[in-house]
Amino acid sequence: KNEVEQSPQNLTAQEGEFITINCSYSVGISALHWLQQHPGGGIVSLFMLSSGKKKHGRLIATINIQEKHSSLHITASHPRDSAVYICAVTSNTGNQFYFGTGTSLTVIP
Amino acid sequence: EPEVTQTPSHQVTQMGQEVILRCVPISNHLYFYWYRQILGQKVEFLVSFYNNEISEKSEIFDDQFSVERPDGSNFTLKIRSTKLEDSAMYFCASSQEAGNTEAFFGQGTRLTVV
Repeated sequence: KNEVEQSPQNLTAQEGEFITINCSYSVGISALHWLQQHPGGGIVSLFMLSSGKKKHGRLIATINIQEKHSSLHITASHPRDSAVYICAVTSNTGNQFYFGTGTSLTVIP
Repeated sequence: EPEVTQTPSHQVTQMGQEVILRCVPISNHLYFYWYRQILGQKVEFLVSFYNNEISEKSEIFDDQFSVERPDGSNFTLKIRSTKLEDSAMYFCASSQEAGNTEAFFGQGTRLTVV
């Protein structure tokens, strides 16, 4: 069973396009995380959300706790945004992460 | 900026051998985690650790795995008798608190079992 579902699995966009990646979860959570994984494999934390909306540069993350849904938006996408974006949730106990399968984003110049 | 460091970056080992993967979490963090990612698959939770004991572990974390904080700075994952299917990228992470707090990830150790 997948506690965290992401869509789409793969996404190709033209440079400058507005991008949305969606995440739905089925477990009780204390927080939701958006992570970025580059081809080298390293993982970087982009956002940690427990409610509302956060913005960092061209990245915006929103969460709707009632609907158990979060979105990651990238405005004015750039080829350097190409990476795998992973949604992960922290369980209610706070001691376990559940990960989505990731969305592989390719931005074409 | 503080960061989580992992060593080695790549380890090749023979099947049946023991390996120890090392992590240095951020110094004022109290919660530590190990994850793994088999090539082409999603990241999977292995274990969380707080106050010198395991807080939670997944079904993957069986008797061949163990974790330790031997000296107050390092956080290690030991795999006692490696199998081919243990080949994966292993990530360490740490956070100041559990739950509603940001986790910081290391760059990972790529383990190849031959």
